[in-house]
Amino acid sequence: DTGVSQDPRHKITKRGQNVTFRCDPISEHNRLYWYRQTLGQGPEFLTYFQNEAQLEKSRLLSDRFSAERPKGSFSTLEIQRTEQGDSAMYLCASSSGGTNQPQHFGDGTRLSIL
Amino acid sequence: EDQVTQSPEALRLQEGESSSLNCSYTVSGLRGLFWYRQDPGKGPEFLFTLYSAGEEKEKERLKATLTKKESFLHITAPKPEDSATYLCAVFYTGNQFYFGTGTSLTVIP
Repeated sequence: DTGVSQDPRHKITKRGQNVTFRCDPISEHNRLYWYRQTLGQGPEFLTYFQNEAQLEKSRLLSDRFSAERPKGSFSTLEIQRTEQGDSAMYLCASSSGGTNQPQHFGDGTRLSIL
Repeated sequence: EDQVTQSPEALRLQEGESSSLNCSYTVSGLRGLFWYRQDPGKGPEFLFTLYSAGEEKEKERLKATLTKKESFLHITAPKPEDSATYLCAVFYTGNQFYFGTGTSLTVIP
């Protein structure tokens, strides 16, 4: 069990640029989740996949955000035209079995917008 | 409005001084309550899942309990390595996990 892997760990970019993050879940986990966490807050749900299907998206997820999970394995989260408010830690989690099973998190990608 | 509230926001304990963290929730249709530990710069680490009122789980110095309105994380004789932020999350009808803002625990040697 190698755990959930996220890449890169840190990303610094200028406002207006596009960024893409990658998440490799625990193998055989069919569910994959993306969260955003800012300092002093708990993770905020963004979206989740069951296999390759994106089943739910938060109202917080603007049109500038898009996520994919081709072939039901790794996932990517893209943010277009980044804004200052996008600065946060982006966390990925995966789980197996039913939707009420615990999620296991990666160590996140910290995004800083200059 | 559905809500998850954790208290206290911060807690400082002397090593060996037992205490409890609280997670109260007002969501309807609770399907699970989860406790996580988060160290600075790391992702949350899963600790416990509780599914029904009256359920208890234990792991080393930690014990989690659940009622119909709240959950407690009891820490017995804490050590400095227990210092972290403890998060609770609820899973309810709507297929979403909703996290509280956490309790920052510091254990002083």
